Amino acid sequence: NAGVTQTPKFQVLKTGQSMTLQCAQDMNHEYMSWYRQDPGMGLRLIHYSVGAGITDQGEVPNGYNVSRSTTEDFPLRLLSAAPSQTSVYFCASSYAGLAYNEQFFGPGTRLTVL
Amino acid sequence: AQTVTQSQPEMSVQEAETVTLSCTYDTSESDYYLFWYKQPPSRQMILVIRQEAYKQQNATENRFSVNFQKAAKSFSLKISDSQLGDAAMYFCAYRRGTSGSRLTFGEGTQLTVNP
Repeated sequence: NAGVTQTPKFQVLKTGQSMTLQCAQDMNHEYMSWYRQDPGMGLRLIHYSVGAGITDQGEVPNGYNVSRSTTEDFPLRLLSAAPSQTSVYFCASSYAGLAYNEQFFGPGTRLTVL
Repeated sequence: AQTVTQSQPEMSVQEAETVTLSCTYDTSESDYYLFWYKQPPSRQMILVIRQEAYKQQNATENRFSVNFQKAAKSFSLKISDSQLGDAAMYFCAYRRGTSGSRLTFGEGTQLTVNP
């Protein structure tokens, strides 16, 4: 199993550009999430999904869109990048239906918006 | 809303000694989980230890143990016999029992291990 994969690993954008951060998992996990990590603030939840076709907002959703057309993929879209979106982005996935289900994290994408 | 606070931005310890990282949280829920994650310079998030709120016994994983004080809403991590490989950013995290994938993280504590 490849686990949770994210592409790209690094990206530099100019203000106003759009891009999609890719996330895929091969563990047949129902739950998938996107977090951003900023210095001194830990990780904050952007969007999450409990299954294909179902998404919801997390703590900091503004400026980001998501969709979940398959169980495996959960892309994060920045429609018009802003310098405030400079951050490290993590995708995570886990099983549903158990009392405890460990989250597996991808390796992260470092995004810089100039 | 739940909050998680780590009041120590940085900590240091001598190799082979013991260090304790602090974490407090705020919740009105009775069913929840608490976690400590390690993030080395590689950026990978690694689960160190977890604690179920309904369990009174403190969790232990080899050199890592927690002091879970439910009434005080405190969840500290003790690392015994510290090793150079323990140097990393450590995050405390909370998850409501029914919230599936949604974690709330603290700000993080950067741990340095001195040889």
